[in-house]
Amino acid sequence: SQQGEEDPQALSIQEGENATMNCSYKTSINNLQWYRQNSGRGLVHLILIRSNEREKHSGRLRVTLDTSKKSSSLLITASRAADTASYFCASQGAQKLVFGQGTRLTINP
Amino acid sequence: GAVVSQHPSWVICKSGTSVKIECRSLDFQATTMFWYRQFPKQSLMLMATSNEGSKATYEQGVEKDKFLINHASLTLSTLTVTSAHPEDSSFYICSARDHRSRGANTGELFFGEGSRLTVL
Repeated sequence: SQQGEEDPQALSIQEGENATMNCSYKTSINNLQWYRQNSGRGLVHLILIRSNEREKHSGRLRVTLDTSKKSSSLLITASRAADTASYFCASQGAQKLVFGQGTRLTINP
Repeated sequence: GAVVSQHPSWVICKSGTSVKIECRSLDFQATTMFWYRQFPKQSLMLMATSNEGSKATYEQGVEKDKFLINHASLTLSTLTVTSAHPEDSSFYICSARDHRSRGANTGELFFGEGSRLTVL
């Protein structure tokens, strides 16, 4: 399977709480990216972390990467109702970008 | 940011007909475009890599005669679903890499808004 794995598959939290999503991938990578998808829409790039980086921040987003475990996590702090969406990690190898299964995040007002 | 346009955004067709989906990079040149397929509540599955001026590279299990890809210019790639059947109904998404990232594989991809195909 070309797919990576993400957990949880679905996450529902209250507005203001932090949301953490995890991703595992299978092969060596150049970088790992996180994308967001609103229902029935295209993907929006959130953040990219290179294979030689361990942590990266962008606004309310914090991404970690552990290449020894082939895993990454995305933390969204102080969540908002507008953060409700599906979130996908994508591992960039030599040629292809391989997506994880995604996490459906619901922020309850 | 860079813009990728897909057209049509949705299409309904009868079984046996062919449907063409266009993917355009509007403000950059894309030597490489990617076509993905997404079933409801599932992830994106890479179908093929489209290279300008050469044949597309298909992923294992994807029928190249079924899903015809043409990348005739640096800003346009097309996916034609030939003799479509109900099982081809899906959300098709293209993405493009800015040619200035060529060879680096370090940059983000820019995604179109997707095309929802329904085959009756």
